[in-house]
Amino acid sequence: GDSVTQMEGPVTLSEEAFLTINCTYTATGYPSLFWYVQYPGEGLQLLLKATKADDKGSNKGFEATYRKETTSFHLEKGSVQVSDSAVYFCALTKNTGGFKTIFGAGTRLFVKA
Amino acid sequence: GEEVAQTPKHLVRGEGQKAKLYCAPIKGHSYVFWYQQVLKNEFKFLISFQNENVFDETGMPKERFSAKCLPNSPCSLEIQATKLEDSAVYFCASSSQTGMNTEAFFGQGTRLTVV
Repeated sequence: GDSVTQMEGPVTLSEEAFLTINCTYTATGYPSLFWYVQYPGEGLQLLLKATKADDKGSNKGFEATYRKETTSFHLEKGSVQVSDSAVYFCALTKNTGGFKTIFGAGTRLFVKA
Repeated sequence: GEEVAQTPKHLVRGEGQKAKLYCAPIKGHSYVFWYQQVLKNEFKFLISFQNENVFDETGMPKERFSAKCLPNSPCSLEIQATKLEDSAVYFCASSSQTGMNTEAFFGQGTRLTVV
């Protein structure tokens, strides 16, 4: 079945370090791909998305490119801040009505000052 | 409204009591989803609705859990005779899913604690 696999955390970085969180997916058809972020004690926020191959989603300095050939959607940020500390979820959904969102297990990021 | 509204934000129930959670989807969205997030962050899909009709209930526990989306009312998720293992954050999401816009918009969640 359809699934999302992302790197296990926690990931601990110093401020201004480069961030990569790997995400790969298995899905039939042409899914849309998402990164969501959950800050401590809060709900789920959409960080960025890409709806077709080679699309690049970007927001708040984060980027991810939809790579169909490697079935990947890795999240990157050039210089992390303490305020980026959160749990990041890679997810997919199909472009058919009513399809649920399938989440990866989440990667916790700690950024030290 | 412009956001998915979930109530209450926190709910504490004794084992065996009933718990009822509510979700008002974004106006105009025809799909509603419920997810359970347990302690290790994992999201478990429970059920989805297309308007007031059950669309996909493959994740719904067969016993004790039920859900409804009735016209002109918030959607609800009800747990009869709660157990300790039901303690989790329950998220509701809604989407319009027209064309390529399949993004689901999530509420802030309801934290259920069963003691």
